[in-house]
Amino acid sequence: NAGVMQNPRHLVRRRGQEARLRCSPMKGHSHVYWYRQLPEEGLKFMVYLQKENIIDESGMPKERFSAEFPKEGPSILRIQQVVRGDSAAYFCASSPSGMNTEAFFGQGTRLTVV
Amino acid sequence: AQSVTQLGSHVSVSEGALVLLRCNYSSSVPPYLFWYVQYPNQGLQLLLKYTTGATLVKGINGFEAEFKKSETSFHLTKPSAHMSDAAEYFCAVSDYTGANSKLTFGKGITLSVRP
Repeated sequence: NAGVMQNPRHLVRRRGQEARLRCSPMKGHSHVYWYRQLPEEGLKFMVYLQKENIIDESGMPKERFSAEFPKEGPSILRIQQVVRGDSAAYFCASSPSGMNTEAFFGQGTRLTVV
Repeated sequence: AQSVTQLGSHVSVSEGALVLLRCNYSSSVPPYLFWYVQYPNQGLQLLLKYTTGATLVKGINGFEAEFKKSETSFHLTKPSAHMSDAAEYFCAVSDYTGANSKLTFGKGITLSVRP
């Protein structure tokens, strides 16, 4: 059973470009969470999705950021018109039934905006 | 709202010494508590978790943690540090209701182990 797969592992974008981060949850997991880790800080919750639904997006910046988890395929975190402050590690986690149970994390995508 | 406090950002111990990483939480409902470890350029790996029942929880790699409701604490310990324990450690809290549950993390503590 493969773990949570995130790609790419490293992504470099110029200011103003779009970044697309992908996350394939573990088999049988229908709950996906995105977290952002800034240098010297812990992980900050961004968004919680189930298949085709956004459950909680209270941690998402109001502009430029969006997320989806379609019926088929991976979850996508999309950042439009990236700025230097978007440089961070973005982690995806999946669980079978909410984070009161065990959540499994991917290895993250490290986004660098130049 | 829930929150986690991990005092200090860095702990250094000698190999073979006791490891103690502190975590205090705030939660309006009985919490589920977790410790995760992150090695450089890696994702997070679950060390242990407390949900209900026994308050002393044993995890992987010889780590354990004790839930103390009266102190709102969930400190992580290991009797004897190993060089391979050097990593960043995150404490996290989640509500147990299941509905819209998510993990709230502390800022993390970097553990260094001296030979």
